[in-house]
Amino acid sequence: GAVVSQHPSWVICKSGTSVKIECRSLDFQATTMFWYRQFPKQSLMLMATSNEGSKATYEQGVEKDKFLINHASLTLSTLTVTSAHPEDSSFYICSATQRGVSDTQYFGPGTRLTVL
Amino acid sequence: GQQVMQIPQYQHVQEGEDFTTYCNSSTTLSNIQWYKQRPGGHPVFLIQLVKSGEVKKQKRLTFQFGEAKKNSSLHITATQTTDVGTYFCGGGSQGNLIFGKGTKLSVKP
Repeated sequence: GAVVSQHPSWVICKSGTSVKIECRSLDFQATTMFWYRQFPKQSLMLMATSNEGSKATYEQGVEKDKFLINHASLTLSTLTVTSAHPEDSSFYICSATQRGVSDTQYFGPGTRLTVL
Repeated sequence: GQQVMQIPQYQHVQEGEDFTTYCNSSTTLSNIQWYKQRPGGHPVFLIQLVKSGEVKKQKRLTFQFGEAKKNSSLHITATQTTDVGTYFCGGGSQGNLIFGKGTKLSVKP
């Protein structure tokens, strides 16, 4: 149980294009989803927290207009990297949790974004 | 803001040796969670500790939560090559997790 999927697993795009990453909880309802960014050999950096049906809460230093997050349903959250640039290349990981049930975060497999 | 420090950053051990990683928070935590990330993989949940002074075991892994709920440790007895990876602690506060930088464990057969 508690499986989280992410799509795509990797993407290469040209500078200036937008990329959408999907995060799905497959067998549970995720009241809260988190988006992290991980640089090589570094820890997970929380970008934003999204609760179903409400606006995402962004961490300090994360541009809201650059990283658009939508949590439209209890099983799906999307992260759109708008007008991507090479410095946006990174490993993006989502996690999902059921508030009120458990604080355990279940992570998706991650998406490797490379911007040329 | 809240910080979670994790040491050591790297640990190289011979197979069969023990391994310990330590996690310290600047503030009192509501809970602490441990994750393992294999090379090229994503973090996988290992365990959550909630109670002050709590100790939990999973086979060769022993997890401790400090009395003040500000520190934690993960100890692996008799490491195996399958233990290779980066171990992260995540300090729970107000529903979010603040991760330590992780301890990368390598095991020499």
